[in-house]
Amino acid sequence: TQLLEQSPQFLSIQEGENLTVYCNSSSVFSSLQWYRQEPGEGPVLLVTVVTGGEVKKLKRLTFQFGDARKDSSLHITAAQPGDTGLYLCAGLDNYGQNFVFGPGTRLSVLP
Amino acid sequence: DSGVTQTPKHLITATGQRVTLRCSPRSGDLSVYWYQQSLDQGLQFLIQYYNGEERAKGNILERFSAQQFPDLHSELNLSSLELGDSALYFCASSAPPGLATNEQFFGPGTRLTVL
Repeated sequence: TQLLEQSPQFLSIQEGENLTVYCNSSSVFSSLQWYRQEPGEGPVLLVTVVTGGEVKKLKRLTFQFGDARKDSSLHITAAQPGDTGLYLCAGLDNYGQNFVFGPGTRLSVLP
Repeated sequence: DSGVTQTPKHLITATGQRVTLRCSPRSGDLSVYWYQQSLDQGLQFLIQYYNGEERAKGNILERFSAQQFPDLHSELNLSSLELGDSALYFCASSAPPGLATNEQFFGPGTRLTVL
């Protein structure tokens, strides 16, 4: 069974600070996605990374897929209160069969 | 708006009862996934259907069942409900095979409260 671990589990920072959250596995994934979920709502897809070493930017968010396609990171620059939410990574295994979610990082950005 | 719809938005029922949750996928999506999310918990994958057929099964209890109909909408049936079944239930849909990334688009969820 492939597992995704996320760290930190909780993160509380002040507005304007930078932060990085991590998604790790011992398994190789053919693709990896990041979602953000706000309380009481469904997760919203932020980005998909497919190629090892790939870096994608979405405004103040930078996503990186590890060279070996076993891990990923999400870096937020100058965090804003609107960035508050649960950040979930999810991966599709190398056979395209199993799709798993990590437990998430709960981010709180204080004004 | 993801294009995935779920009804009802809220459901309150008693232990031992049976409920049905409904999901309509995005136009053109053939796959439907069901997830359970308890308070402050991650997403627990329950089951996936593709074009009417069961494709993958996760940690779905025997008291739960699902199906996908010819018009591609899906229903999740929860029976003999227990207090611990109280949770948010999400449906997601994804595009047909051929896209290797399996990007999923989530509905707004149904909040089930069992009293």
